[in-house]
Amino acid sequence: DGGITQSPKYLFRKEGQNVTLSCEQNLNHDAMYWYRQDPGQGLRLIYYSQIVNDFQKGDIAEGYSVSREKKESFPLTVTSAQKNPTAFYLCASTENGPRETQYFGPGTRLLVL
Amino acid sequence: KQEVTQIPAALSVPEGENLVLNCSFTDSAIYNLQWFRQDPGKGLTSLLLIQSSQREQTSGRLNASLDKSSGRSTLYIAASQPGDSATYLCAVTRNDMRFGAGTRLTVKP
Repeated sequence: DGGITQSPKYLFRKEGQNVTLSCEQNLNHDAMYWYRQDPGQGLRLIYYSQIVNDFQKGDIAEGYSVSREKKESFPLTVTSAQKNPTAFYLCASTENGPRETQYFGPGTRLLVL
Repeated sequence: KQEVTQIPAALSVPEGENLVLNCSFTDSAIYNLQWFRQDPGKGLTSLLLIQSSQREQTSGRLNASLDKSSGRSTLYIAASQPGDSATYLCAVTRNDMRFGAGTRLTVKP
């Protein structure tokens, strides 16, 4: 089955710790995206990548970092500089760019200890 | 900056009722508009995508309309079922995708 997987489902972060959220897709899509979802708010774009080894900041990139070394993988690191990381994180992909149907993973809920 | 608003934030209806969810956006220069469904604690599933040149799209009991000039879209759900209970989000795309906060729908048996 083609799709997007995210792991872990739940992640706990201690003060000052960096944590990495995994996103993998086997849809052969070029573009991948990371969103943050807070209660009562729409999704906000953190980073996106339209091709391997290239990525751009979204609206709320501060305190986050990404890499795109392989087409199928787009991991997100939540750094200690992100002071309010508790949220639901969603990864998505499109075949080429943002003007197409976006396919979403199941999400990772990040909680702070 | 594009702002997307969905009203109401929550809606509860009895089973079998036809209903309309609303989405409005401030900048009409969009490429397309999408409606998504999100179940609690899950990712989003695309329901319908309307290109800016289109007026509506239909899939089964769902019909989405787009009035780009007035900055509005509606999602019509016919003969609602308890399985339709979820949060419905709309998103507009120009160079990136902007989401509304969603409407949480509860269909009571």
